[in-house]
Amino acid sequence: NAGVTQTPKFRILKIGQSMTLQCTQDMNHNYMYWYRQDPGMGLKLIYYSVGAGITDKGEVPNGYNVSRSTTEDFPLRLELAAPSQTSVYFCASSYVRVYEQYFGPGTRLTVT
Amino acid sequence: AQKITQTQPGMFVQEKEAVTLDCTYDTSDQSYGLFWYKQPSSGEMIFLIYQGSYDEQNATEGRYSLNFQKARKSANLVISASQLGDSAMYFCAMREGDTGNQFYFGTGTSLTVIP
Repeated sequence: NAGVTQTPKFRILKIGQSMTLQCTQDMNHNYMYWYRQDPGMGLKLIYYSVGAGITDKGEVPNGYNVSRSTTEDFPLRLELAAPSQTSVYFCASSYVRVYEQYFGPGTRLTVT
Repeated sequence: AQKITQTQPGMFVQEKEAVTLDCTYDTSDQSYGLFWYKQPSSGEMIFLIYQGSYDEQNATEGRYSLNFQKARKSANLVISASQLGDSAMYFCAMREGDTGNQFYFGTGTSLTVIP
């Protein structure tokens, strides 16, 4: 099993550009999450999904959108990138809500 | 108010010694879960241990144990017999509520194991 995979690993965006961060898991997990980690800080939840077709906001959703058309994929869309969105983005999944999340390797995004 | 507080930005421990990393949490829910994750310098997040709010015994996983004191709202991680490979950032996290899916992470503690 590949676990949770994320692409790209690194990306530099100009202010105002848009992009989609890809996340795929092959563990048949229902729950998927997107986090951002700013330098020297903990993770903050952006969006989560409890199954295909169901998504909801986390703590810091502004400036982002998500969709979940399949169990495996949970892409994160950035519209009109801003320097404040410079961060490392982690995707995670879990089989049941209460237990551990499995994390992808992260995407390092810089907006200049 | 912060949901998760980790007051130790950096800690040092001698190899083979035990170390305690502090974590306090804030919630009014009766049902919640507490987690510890390790983040090495390579950046990935590695799950270490989980404690449910209704669990009566402290969780243990190999050299990791969670010192859960519900009344004090603390969930400290104890690493026994530290190894050089334990040098990393450690994050405490909480899942709040019976039906909620909100997860909150602390700011982390950087642990350095000295040979």
